[in-house]
Amino acid sequence: QQPVQSPQAVILREGEDAVINCSSSKALYSVHWYRQKHGEAPVFLMILLKGGEQKGHEKISASFNEKKQQSSLYLTASQLSYSGTYFCGLLGETSGSRLTFGEGTQLTVNP
Amino acid sequence: GAGVSQSPSNKVTEKGKDVELRCDPISGHTALYWYRQSLGQGLEFLIYFQGNSAPDKSGLPSDRFSAERTGGSVSTLTIQRTQQEDSAVYLCASSERQAPLVYGYTFGSGTRLTVV
Repeated sequence: QQPVQSPQAVILREGEDAVINCSSSKALYSVHWYRQKHGEAPVFLMILLKGGEQKGHEKISASFNEKKQQSSLYLTASQLSYSGTYFCGLLGETSGSRLTFGEGTQLTVNP
Repeated sequence: GAGVSQSPSNKVTEKGKDVELRCDPISGHTALYWYRQSLGQGLEFLIYFQGNSAPDKSGLPSDRFSAERTGGSVSTLTIQRTQQEDSAVYLCASSERQAPLVYGYTFGSGTRLTVV
């Protein structure tokens, strides 16, 4: 089953914060986050493994709640370069290495 | 290579024709994936190859779609008798050999297929 992402779209001013959520009805092993800029390939941001702690770099971080089968991506003090569509990709415990992606969240950061 | 290479970058074809899309993964990556992205939509899984194991074809939408991977490297996705609903960006990705996956995918730039 495809994960559910929310919100579908968000518009920010530079410097504002945003949270993107991803939830699943299936037991998860790991959660991936990717960002895709218009007309470009998705780019890997980070992975959160079952039993792992919150990860991040710079002002983008994420958490993974195994019990709730949810992950959240946190963007703080957003920059113009953060604009793009964010996808979560979920790996079930029996999925091998095949990710199932959500519909994406379109993030726009304005000056 | 340095990244995942896909060709052609754009393909316009007439309805009913066959097309072949090519993917050259990162050297040493034994897992290769094909996804499809329709305009403004998410990433729809098609097929994946892991080393010498039988491919997971569970995402192929119809028997008009097939893929092969020769020599554990280059992959070709073939769509026979193309239909207008096949129009999309076809993305290929590769990853290091891990199951379950603990590293991210590296995506190619995709092939934009337009069926007219």
